[in-house]
Amino acid sequence: AQKITQTQPGMFVQEKEAVTLDCTYDTSDPSYGLFWYKQPSSGEMIFLIYQGSYDQQNATEGRYSLNFQKARKSANLVISASQLGDSAMYFCAMRGVNSGYSTLTFGKGTMLLVSP
Amino acid sequence: EAQVTQNPRYLITVTGKKLTVTCSQNMNHEYMSWYRQDPGLGLRQIYYSMNVEVTDKGDVPEGYKVSRKEKRNFPLILESPSPNQTSLYFCASTTSGRSTYNEQFFGPGTRLTVL
Repeated sequence: AQKITQTQPGMFVQEKEAVTLDCTYDTSDPSYGLFWYKQPSSGEMIFLIYQGSYDQQNATEGRYSLNFQKARKSANLVISASQLGDSAMYFCAMRGVNSGYSTLTFGKGTMLLVSP
Repeated sequence: EAQVTQNPRYLITVTGKKLTVTCSQNMNHEYMSWYRQDPGLGLRQIYYSMNVEVTDKGDVPEGYKVSRKEKRNFPLILESPSPNQTSLYFCASTTSGRSTYNEQFFGPGTRLTVL
């Protein structure tokens, strides 16, 4: 079984500052992928970034980077230079090679609020 | 444009009145899934389908049915809705292949309220 833990129900950050959203995971799969999604108030799920368990380097996508520490089973999302439009719910999710490729296991989410 | 569509987007109904939420994708994806999202619980998988006529239960299947008669469509059926099925529902699709990357495409969501 897989499990994703997001311990921060809410985070506050000022515009232009960097913020780290925490995600830890638990799995017995030898190969897995980690995802971050953004859900703005409009409700849609927006894919942000992916990290494979065998990737040597941390993933980056524009202002988003994933701080992947495999030994600690953590996959924290770092948003640099926060913008007001970053205010949203953020979900960490994972998929494992043994758990079915159709299934994403999600954390409970972190609500990020960016203030001017 | 590659997309997953869901209808309706919003629905208010009463206990016991059967309803169907449709889901369609135009990417020729083999895998399709239904999730429900509840405050403080994240998204949880209801059912998934690996291909036409192949479906299986996810984590929270009670009270739901699905069918996959065509590759592009994966409707979610609530035979007798109850208030605890009030939730935000997402349909998603992804390609097959043994890769952990395959991006999952989500529909826009259906907000269901059962009175």
